[in-house]
Amino acid sequence: SQQGEEDPQALSIQEGENATMNCSYKTSINNLQWYRQNSGRGLVHLILIRSNEREKHSGRLRVTLDTSKKSSSLLITASRAADTASYFCATERSSNTGKLIFGQGTTLQVKP
Amino acid sequence: SQTIHQWPATLVQPVGSPLSLECTVEGTSNPNLYWYRQAAGRGLQLLFYSVGIGQISSEVPQNLSASRPQDRQFILSSKKLLLSDSGFYLCAWRGAQRSPLHFGNGTRLTVT
Repeated sequence: SQQGEEDPQALSIQEGENATMNCSYKTSINNLQWYRQNSGRGLVHLILIRSNEREKHSGRLRVTLDTSKKSSSLLITASRAADTASYFCATERSSNTGKLIFGQGTTLQVKP
Repeated sequence: SQTIHQWPATLVQPVGSPLSLECTVEGTSNPNLYWYRQAAGRGLQLLFYSVGIGQISSEVPQNLSASRPQDRQFILSSKKLLLSDSGFYLCAWRGAQRSPLHFGNGTRLTVT
């Protein structure tokens, strides 16, 4: 079953604008991860945030985690056309089974 | 450095034919291995994962099976393909719990 639900499903912005994607999940987690997928390719890991962390940065990426609301957000600042891709959140549950459950993803289009 | 190989990249098979997709990892030992399926425009569905040789966990009842004959080899199989088996199959590995997944480039399977 899918754990994460991304919102919005699709997002179209102009180059230079910020893009915000949200992820909600249902069960308690050990960590939450964000991945990027270019069309027809495998996924690439972007950032991992642990359940005891509230915010994490990596370059132009900022991830927040609110475990009380069971939600996370991914912010891409100063977007570029090359950021056009699908973005997925994935959760690893506290039971430490080794499973990562992915959401449905947000498709981001950045127009030059 | 670690690398993951997944083949073939594309495959067209008739209904009722067998399937064998192979995934190998180099540069690491005792990885956790995963098979995901992605329907068009959708998120990833976890099919199987393995924490060691001969140890396979199945996530959804289906027409597929997985095997791990060697430490860094993961095989996805079917005896008789169904139309509903069409999709994008992704193999992934990771070295430890609570760490990122590393994906292969995927196999696009079309069952006709």
